[in-house]
Amino acid sequence: DVKVTQSSRYLVKRTGEKVFLECVQDMDHENMFWYRQDPGLGLRLIYFSYDVKMKEKGDIPEGYSVSREKKERFSLILESASTNQTSMYLCASSQVESLRGNTIYFGEGSWLTVV
Amino acid sequence: AQTVTQSQPEMSVQEAETVTLSCTYDTSESDYYLFWYKQPPSRQMILVIRQEAYKQQNATENRFSVNFQKAAKSFSLKISDSQLGDAAMYFCAYRSAIRGNKLVFGAGTILRVKS
Repeated sequence: DVKVTQSSRYLVKRTGEKVFLECVQDMDHENMFWYRQDPGLGLRLIYFSYDVKMKEKGDIPEGYSVSREKKERFSLILESASTNQTSMYLCASSQVESLRGNTIYFGEGSWLTVV
Repeated sequence: AQTVTQSQPEMSVQEAETVTLSCTYDTSESDYYLFWYKQPPSRQMILVIRQEAYKQQNATENRFSVNFQKAAKSFSLKISDSQLGDAAMYFCAYRSAIRGNKLVFGAGTILRVKS
């Protein structure tokens, strides 16, 4: 069974703290994604990675960075957390683009509150 | 850039009845995929149904079916014989078949099922 695991479901951090959100997939997928979900805005892509050490900016990369040192793990980093980064963060993974219609699988999400 | 619009923030349906969720999208591409995802209160995003733009036939998965109108750029989801377990947030999403990795989401529709 497909599994995308986000290590932290609920976090509370202080403004200015460095925050790491971790995501692991067990399907040997090449692609991994980080989305942010906010009410009325749906999901917005922050970053994605199509291979180890490769990354591309999504629609809202400002204030975030990512790391992909191993194929199965994709980390989202908030260098200096701010209150406007309070949100639900969703990790996802999929096979390579060349497979038509490949499905994207999501983790359960991480609720981050910045106070 | 592609956009996806879900004009119904909330919908309600009586158990065993049928409900239709609306979705429109904007793209200049001819080859793409459309998806409906379900996000129940547990927050794990689940793929409900997928439609390839090059297929004229509407996709169907058990009680879930779509009405895909390519010229009108419309992609509605019909849920027949609604069940309490259908209560969730539903997201419509678009993915290019050419620049394939990124999913573009609508804002979502909350579906409430009344017993």
